Amino acid sequence: NAGVMQNPRHLVRRRGQEARLRCSPMKGHSHVYWYRQLPEEGLKFMVYLQKENIIDESGMPKERFSAEFPKEGPSILRIQQVVRGDSAAYFCASSPDRGYEKLFFGSGTQLSVL
Amino acid sequence: GQSLEQPSEVTAVEGAIVQINCTYQTSGFYGLSWYQQHDGGAPTFLSYNALDGLEETGRFSSFLSRSDSYGYLLLQELQMKDSASYFCAASGSARQLTFGSGTQLTVLP
Repeated sequence: NAGVMQNPRHLVRRRGQEARLRCSPMKGHSHVYWYRQLPEEGLKFMVYLQKENIIDESGMPKERFSAEFPKEGPSILRIQQVVRGDSAAYFCASSPDRGYEKLFFGSGTQLSVL
Repeated sequence: GQSLEQPSEVTAVEGAIVQINCTYQTSGFYGLSWYQQHDGGAPTFLSYNALDGLEETGRFSSFLSRSDSYGYLLLQELQMKDSASYFCAASGSARQLTFGSGTQLTVLP
């Protein structure tokens, strides 16, 4: 039973390019969460999605960032026109119905902006 | 909103017992979770307390006092592999977890 799958593990972009991060939740999980982590810091909530719906995007910057979780396929976190400050580890987590106190995390995508 | 405070670093020797404290300020608090993270890898769930008291899972135990807005993670019989970052996280009416900044535990031989 595969866990939460994130790809790519490492992503290098130049300033101004777009970054697309993918997350496939655990089988049977319909809730997806994206978190960002800077070195030596905790995980900062970005967005919470269910299939085809954004439930809470209060932690996501209003500009350049977007997320989706389509009916078919993985959840995508998209960052347009990346800047150096976007460099971080981005973690995706999933949970079954309403079990959000216990999240299952992927291994993360390390985004480096040159 | 929610905020959590925990010590940034704790050091202990192999075989010892260590306690990592977490205090929180929150509205609509539901419960407190603990996660372990090795070297920036995937955080893994350790425990969850919704009610006051102690929850024990093997060498790890977690405690919650809602009246004091306080909890802790207790690690017994420390092993070298327990060296990691430990995060407390609060769940609330917003239906998303808010994490503390993490405690780096170093276990010495």
